Amino acid sequence: GENVEQHPSTLSVQEGDSAVIKCTYSDSASNYFPWYKQELGKGPQLIIDIRSNVGEKKDQRIAVTLNKTAKHFSLHITETQPEDSAVYFCAASQSGNTPLVFGKGTRLSVIA
Amino acid sequence: EPEVTQTPSHQVTQMGQEVILRCVPISNHLYFYWYRQILGQKVEFLVSFYNNEISEKSEIFDDQFSVERPDGSNFTLKIRSTKLEDSAMYFCASSGTSGGAGELFFGEGSRLTVL
Repeated sequence: GENVEQHPSTLSVQEGDSAVIKCTYSDSASNYFPWYKQELGKGPQLIIDIRSNVGEKKDQRIAVTLNKTAKHFSLHITETQPEDSAVYFCAASQSGNTPLVFGKGTRLSVIA
Repeated sequence: EPEVTQTPSHQVTQMGQEVILRCVPISNHLYFYWYRQILGQKVEFLVSFYNNEISEKSEIFDDQFSVERPDGSNFTLKIRSTKLEDSAMYFCASSGTSGGAGELFFGEGSRLTVL
């Protein structure tokens, strides 16, 4: 089955700097790659996703890149703000009825 | 904004007791899920539910676990004879489309502590 690895497990950045979180996946049949943000005491919330027919997607300060050949995808947050501090999870699945497989999460701390 | 709600937010139980975790998915969603997250570990898939039956389950979801949609709004996870290792945060999620193709909306979780 699918296995998703995520790095780093913790990341501290200065406010205004960029943050990059990387994930790899094992199943070449996976074609849907969402990123979730989990704030303290809350459930994960989708922030951006990408499908395998595109290599990059951007939404304001957040972007995701996908390299299907290497089977890795990354989350990029630019101009980080304190409210970006949270745990971020990557996930992968095949479109259809297969469940999301999550990475272990990255705790991002943005220092003001 | 529609949301998934879960109760209780925290439950403490003795080992061997039965626990029922409740979820109210978003009203027009068709696919329902339970995930769990042991402290400090990844979010793990337990079970998916569609059209009043289990569509997929993980190896974690053994005979100790069951799910039910007793009425048109609730979706429950029952854990029989709880063990210490069942202590975790349990998340319910729902989707308007199959979860592999569209956004999953998660509840805030139910923290289960087994003593």
